[in-house]
Amino acid sequence: GNSVTQMEGPVTLSEEAFLTINCTYTATGYPSLFWYVQYPGEGLQLLLKATKADDKGSNKGFEATYRKETTSFHLEKGSVQVSDSAVYFCALSLNQAGTALIFGKGTTLSVSS
Amino acid sequence: GAVVSQHPSRVICKSGTSVKIECRSLDFQATTMFWYRQFPKQSLMLMATSNEGSKATYEQGVEKDKFLINHASLTLSTLTVTSAHPEDSSFYICSPGSDTDTQYFGPGTRLTVL
Repeated sequence: GNSVTQMEGPVTLSEEAFLTINCTYTATGYPSLFWYVQYPGEGLQLLLKATKADDKGSNKGFEATYRKETTSFHLEKGSVQVSDSAVYFCALSLNQAGTALIFGKGTTLSVSS
Repeated sequence: GAVVSQHPSRVICKSGTSVKIECRSLDFQATTMFWYRQFPKQSLMLMATSNEGSKATYEQGVEKDKFLINHASLTLSTLTVTSAHPEDSSFYICSPGSDTDTQYFGPGTRLTVL
């Protein structure tokens, strides 16, 4: 079936460290891929997305590249800040009308100064 | 992006009572609404999909008689947790269906059942 697997957390980093959160997927067809972020006490916000193979999504210093050959969409940031502390969710869309996103379990990132 | 509101943002109720959660799409018409549940430190799990003017479709394991969904208009969908119990305590999130590949989410409602 269709699914998203992302690395277990929590991930604890010092400010300005390099971040990678791994995400792999299983899906039929040609899904779109997303990273959502959930800050403490808030709802989900779209962080970035990619709709086809080799696309790179980027926002706020975060990047992820849609790799069809490895079925991956790893999230990276070169230098994290304390304000990046949040839960990050990888998700896919099957691009079928009326179908919901499929989410990974989420990875908690904690950045200390 | 689309603006989605939920009310209330937090609710505490006694076991056995019913709680209604409203979800409004403020700047577009949503023919479909997804309702998710998120337990602490876990992912979002789709509960049901509602379509304006018709019955909702529930995911396996979700009791349709316990989680009543009404999608009476293109801008409002409600989720009623009937006879709530402590195990229903969770974060409930709505998300209007979109014609694009991007979904937007409401800010969520935290339900605590004592």
